Amino acid sequence: DAGVTQSPTHLIKTRGQQVTLRCSPKSGHDTVSWYQQALGQGPQFIFQYYEEEERQRGNFPDRFSGHQFPNYSSELNVNALLLGDSALYLCASKTAVNEKLFFGSGTQLSVL
Amino acid sequence: KQEVTQIPAALSVPEGENLVLNCSFTDSAIYNLQWFRQDPGKGLTSLLLIQSSQREQTSGRLNASLDKSSGRSTLYIAASQPGDSATYLCAVEFQKLVFGTGTRLLVSP
Repeated sequence: DAGVTQSPTHLIKTRGQQVTLRCSPKSGHDTVSWYQQALGQGPQFIFQYYEEEERQRGNFPDRFSGHQFPNYSSELNVNALLLGDSALYLCASKTAVNEKLFFGSGTQLSVL
Repeated sequence: KQEVTQIPAALSVPEGENLVLNCSFTDSAIYNLQWFRQDPGKGLTSLLLIQSSQREQTSGRLNASLDKSSGRSTLYIAASQPGDSATYLCAVEFQKLVFGTGTRLLVSP
């Protein structure tokens, strides 16, 4: 049983560019959330998707957007990248009735 | 604004010691609290989930307690091993999940 998978594992972009990160949830999970983790900090909640709609959102600007597909996989898009967007981006999945979260290994984004 | 604080920020112990990690939160109206483990550069692994109606959860050598009225949770690790070395994160679900900054644990052989 595959867990949560994220791609790519590493990414280098320059300021002003756009990036798309991808996540496939654990089998049987229908809810996907995204987190940003800066070095030495705890993860910060970006948003959560369920039934292809954004259900909750953290304190992130509109440059951060997402999508959930009918197969429950999800994308995180970040436009107009800033140096401060450099971080580990984590995807997590769960079922709607069980709060236990399963995390992927993350995508390390470096903005130069 | 909901805040989650973890103390200590770092901890170094010899193998075999019992240890306690602390987590405090500012709002007692929580849905649940989770403890996670994170190895360097990796994702998070859920260790224990305590629902708001529960007082504690146990899994093997780990025991987590929850006191909503005082806004505190502790993670107790019995008979620590070098393989326990990692960062331990506390996360509290208010209307969204809020993480602490973690405790970096090093267990020396």
